[in-house]
Amino acid sequence: QKEVEQDPGPLSVPEGAIVSLNCTYSNSAFQYFMWYRQYSRKGPELLMYTYSSGNKEDGRFTAQVDKSSKYISLFIRDSQPSDSATYLCAISGTYKYIFGTGTRLKVLA
Amino acid sequence: DAGVIQSPRHEVTEMGQEVTLRCKPISGHDYLFWYRQTMMRGLELLIYFNNNVPIDDSGMPEDRFSAKMPNASFSTLKIQPSEPRDSAVYFCASSGTSGGADTQYFGPGTRLTVL
Repeated sequence: QKEVEQDPGPLSVPEGAIVSLNCTYSNSAFQYFMWYRQYSRKGPELLMYTYSSGNKEDGRFTAQVDKSSKYISLFIRDSQPSDSATYLCAISGTYKYIFGTGTRLKVLA
Repeated sequence: DAGVIQSPRHEVTEMGQEVTLRCKPISGHDYLFWYRQTMMRGLELLIYFNNNVPIDDSGMPEDRFSAKMPNASFSTLKIQPSEPRDSAVYFCASSGTSGGADTQYFGPGTRLTVL
């Protein structure tokens, strides 16, 4: 079993839809949870960063962590074509990150 | 700041050849990471350095891979001899030190194709 599991998609939604992206992880020692966005042929860039359980909101993006079920989510409201990218979740206990394989999202205009 | 710089951006080589990938981290960052990304396996950590010292190289696939960081502003990842299964995008990332898991900033990657 991989330490981080993520549905690879692709996920296609119409513009304006609410998008839900999810990951599960197996090691309860991890305390830092990140979402990275990667556009085609670019490096990943940090989107959201959460420490421990709870929700964090940044504009149209909300990151949610449920440590009891080892489940992390990213919600995108009012999705835009510019949100089309691959979204990678990552977990960390220290400086070493473990990434999910990424979910490819396409927002149709 | 120019961000993390990687070169070359693309590399095509033949099986058995030596390949050297280069990285310049963000100035002031004291952690440097090398990752490999493939469709099948996603983003995998190969090795990371702290203050130019290799801390964890457990992700390096085999002895054909080696990495060095001779100073705070330069690192190399070398594959010798290269094989077709090494074809992937290789990313370098760097982060600073402020406690906890600091944000890693990624370079644009080197797309390696081994024929």
